[in-house]
Amino acid sequence: DIVLAQSPGTLSLSPGERATLSCRASQSVSSAYLAWYQQKPGQAPRLLIYGASNRATGIPDRFSGSGSGTDFTLTISRLESEDFAVYYCQQYGGSPRTFGQGTKVEIK
Amino acid sequence: EVQVVQSGAEVKKPGESLRISCKASGYKFTNYWIGWVRQMPGKALEWMGIIYPGDSDTRYSPSFQGQVTFSVDQSITTAYLQWNSLKASDTAIYYCARQMSFTGSYGYFDYWGQGTLVTVSS
Repeated sequence: DIVLAQSPGTLSLSPGERATLSCRASQSVSSAYLAWYQQKPGQAPRLLIYGASNRATGIPDRFSGSGSGTDFTLTISRLESEDFAVYYCQQYGGSPRTFGQGTKVEIK
Repeated sequence: EVQVVQSGAEVKKPGESLRISCKASGYKFTNYWIGWVRQMPGKALEWMGIIYPGDSDTRYSPSFQGQVTFSVDQSITTAYLQWNSLKASDTAIYYCARQMSFTGSYGYFDYWGQGTLVTVSS
C-alpha cells in the first residue's frame, strides 16, 4: 500500500496568514494522481484539488496544489475564517487508494 | 445538479445485519464509479472500495474485503453497503461519493454524500 504521511499534524495560524501543508508518499504516486480534501466538523469532505494541482469547480484561487513523485503540497495563500478545518490528501494511482492521516488547521 | 444522498443513522447490535444506501441523481448513474469511505470516531478517512454501477465491477480495499459487500440497483440509481454480521468496531460514519475517473477505475471523489452514522452496541 502507498502510505501518505501528512505534516504537520496541527497548524496554528491566524487569519490572513499563509498555510503550507505537506503530504509525503511512501512510493511514487503515478501520474500525480493526488487529491486534497477539506473537512469541517460534522460535514462530509469536500474536494479541493485533483491531479496534484488542479482546483475543483468553485474552489477559490487562494488554494493551490503542487508536487510530483512522492512530495506534494497544499498552500492556502491567505487564510480566511472558513478555511479552518482538517485537510486530507489521497492518492488514487495505486491499489488500494489511500488517504493521509490529516492536518488540522486551527485558529491561533 | 449532481446530488448524492445517503440513508439515515442506524443503531444495531453486534451480530446483526445492515444495509445502508446512497441515492445518486443529476448525472448518468451507470457511467461513474461510486466509492465508500469509513471514518471512525475522531479518526481519518479510510478508502473502503468502489463499485461501477454499469456492470457491478468492484474493487475492495484488502482491509475491507470479505467484511462488507457493495451492490447497486440501476433502476433506482442507488448504491448499497452491506454487512452480514456487525461488530462494535464497525461503529463509524460511512460516506459514499461519486468518483471522477479518467483512466479505468482510478479517480478522485468529486461529489460526496452527507454520511451515515452506524452505531453498533449491545
